[in-house]
Amino acid sequence: KAGVTQTPRYLIKTRGQQVTLSCSPISGHRSVSWYQQTPGQGLQFLFEYFSETQRNKGNFPGRFSGRQFSNSRSEMNVSTLELGDSALYLCASSLDWDNTGELFFGEGSRLTVL
Amino acid sequence: GQNIDQPTEMTATEGAIVQINCTYQTSGFNGLFWYQQHAGEAPTFLSYNVLDGLEEKGRFSSFLSRSKGYSYLLLKELQMKDSASYLCAVGGSYIPTFGRGTSLIVHP
Repeated sequence: KAGVTQTPRYLIKTRGQQVTLSCSPISGHRSVSWYQQTPGQGLQFLFEYFSETQRNKGNFPGRFSGRQFSNSRSEMNVSTLELGDSALYLCASSLDWDNTGELFFGEGSRLTVL
Repeated sequence: GQNIDQPTEMTATEGAIVQINCTYQTSGFNGLFWYQQHAGEAPTFLSYNVLDGLEEKGRFSSFLSRSKGYSYLLLKELQMKDSASYLCAVGGSYIPTFGRGTSLIVHP
């Protein structure tokens, strides 16, 4: 069965631009969560969606937003990019939050902001 | 909120045993997880502990003490391919909170 697919894998933007990242979860998985990973801060939770509803949100500014579609695919958007937004953005999917903690991660979208 | 601490980096020799510790302080606890992440790759699930004690899975074992807010991941018979970052994560209401990860370097 296909894994979690994230596109694009790499992208370069300049300050002030906006970016949209896409995540296709494993077929049948309804929960999609997003993380930002940087060397200094590790994996930081952005938000989680289930059945098109945002259930949880991390401590990121409003420039970071997301959505989930009826087929469970998800997108996240970052507006007015800053240099500090350079990071690996990881998407993870699961059937639902069922206490086993097994999240299936995509390989990420590496964003560089110049 | 959640506070998770683990060492930044550890080194070990091929064939040896290494223990990676994780301490946590949380407002809610719903299990402790370990993930492995090789450089440039996605994190992959290793283990889950919700009750105190040791869970063994091949060369990898994970231990949990809820009263002490402490867990460790034990890797036996280390192989070069075990060089990776090991992420400790604590489960809350929904999505786990991750520590910053321990970079393990295995040398010959």
